[in-house]
Amino acid sequence: NAGVTQTPKFRILKIGQSMTLQCAQDMNHNYMYWYRQDPGMGLKLIYYSVGAGITDKGEVPNGYNVSRSTTEDFPLRLELAAPSQTSVYFCASSYAGLHQETQYFGPGTRLLVL
Amino acid sequence: DAKTTQPTSMDCAEGRAANLPCNHSTISGNEYVYWYRQIHSQGPQYIIHGLKNNETNEMASLIITEDRKSSTLILPHATLRDTAVYYCIVRPPSYNTDKLIFGTGTRLQVFP
Repeated sequence: NAGVTQTPKFRILKIGQSMTLQCAQDMNHNYMYWYRQDPGMGLKLIYYSVGAGITDKGEVPNGYNVSRSTTEDFPLRLELAAPSQTSVYFCASSYAGLHQETQYFGPGTRLLVL
Repeated sequence: DAKTTQPTSMDCAEGRAANLPCNHSTISGNEYVYWYRQIHSQGPQYIIHGLKNNETNEMASLIITEDRKSSTLILPHATLRDTAVYYCIVRPPSYNTDKLIFGTGTRLQVFP
């Protein structure tokens, strides 16, 4: 299994541009998440999904959108990039049910907005 | 969700045990203690979790006090590759969401 994969690894955007961060997992996990991590800080949850067609906001959803049309993919959309969105973005997945399960993280996408 | 308090940084000599403390004095009876770590620039990695009993796996041991208000992650023989930020997270057993609330963690530096 490849686990959780993210593309691109690094991207520079100009203010106002749009882009989609891709995330895929091949572990048949039902839950998927997007986090951002600013320098020296912990991760903050942007959006999450408990299954295909179901998404919900996390702590810091403003400026982002998500969709979950398949179990495997969970893209994150930035519509109008702002310098405050310069960060490292991590996607994660888990199989959560009645028992506690762990989250598996991707390698991250580094985004610089200038 | 219960909050956690961890020291900002710690040092440990290679080959020695690294003991990373975490305070979670407001933990509820059904909340689990999770530990993740993040090696420089990589995605966080799960280490171990527990409810009230001590736990051990191939990576570490987790000691939870009887009153569950604090815990200690033990890396029995630290190596240079264990240098990372370690996050202690308290999480309820949610059947609808599986959210993790990350703090700023403890930066562990293992030196030769």
